Amino acid sequence: QKEVEQNSGPLSVPEGAIASLNCTYSDRGSQSFFWYRQYSGKSPELIMSIYSNGDKEDGRFTAQLNKASQYVSLLIRDSQPSDSATYLCAVEGGSQGNLIFGKGTKLSVKP
Amino acid sequence: DTAVSQTPKYLVTQMGNDKSIKCEQNLGHDTMYWYKQDSKKFLKIMFSYNNKELIINETVPNRFSPKSPDKAHLNLHINSLELGDSAVYFCASSLQGFPDTQYFGPGTRLTVL
Repeated sequence: QKEVEQNSGPLSVPEGAIASLNCTYSDRGSQSFFWYRQYSGKSPELIMSIYSNGDKEDGRFTAQLNKASQYVSLLIRDSQPSDSATYLCAVEGGSQGNLIFGKGTKLSVKP
Repeated sequence: DTAVSQTPKYLVTQMGNDKSIKCEQNLGHDTMYWYKQDSKKFLKIMFSYNNKELIINETVPNRFSPKSPDKAHLNLHINSLELGDSAVYFCASSLQGFPDTQYFGPGTRLTVL
């Protein structure tokens, strides 16, 4: 059973701080990794994708991937209250390329 | 403009009933998906269709039957509803399938009493 593990939180950070969200996955063969943001009562939306080891930056967001450790993380710099949401890690998991989601980490950014 | 739409938004029904959820996308995408998100927020794929053809069929009870009349629509019919079917069901679409970005609909909250 392929699994994606996340700390469910809640993770609470003050406004302006760096939020660090972590994810581990079980399938060593996975090649594609995604971070989705889901506001309460809303649908998931893709914020980052990463396919190669190392860092990928997009504005205040940085995704980090370490395939040897089967670990992917998301850093949010200068966290804002509007970043308060659940962040879902998703990993390519099947022969048809379906996504396997973690249970999400709830982030709360305090003003 | 609505990209991926679902109806109804809320669905409350009794055990044993049969119900359908409709999904439409106006993005011109070839691939559509159904996901189930349970009360613990665990999001899990159920089905995937590419241009009306079933691609992914995860371990889902055969009470669930997807139907794709055309590539812009993917409906989900559920027979003999059970308490455990209560969840939020999300439809999604992507241009050509994995790894293209998946765009999610607003979700349908199903409550089985």
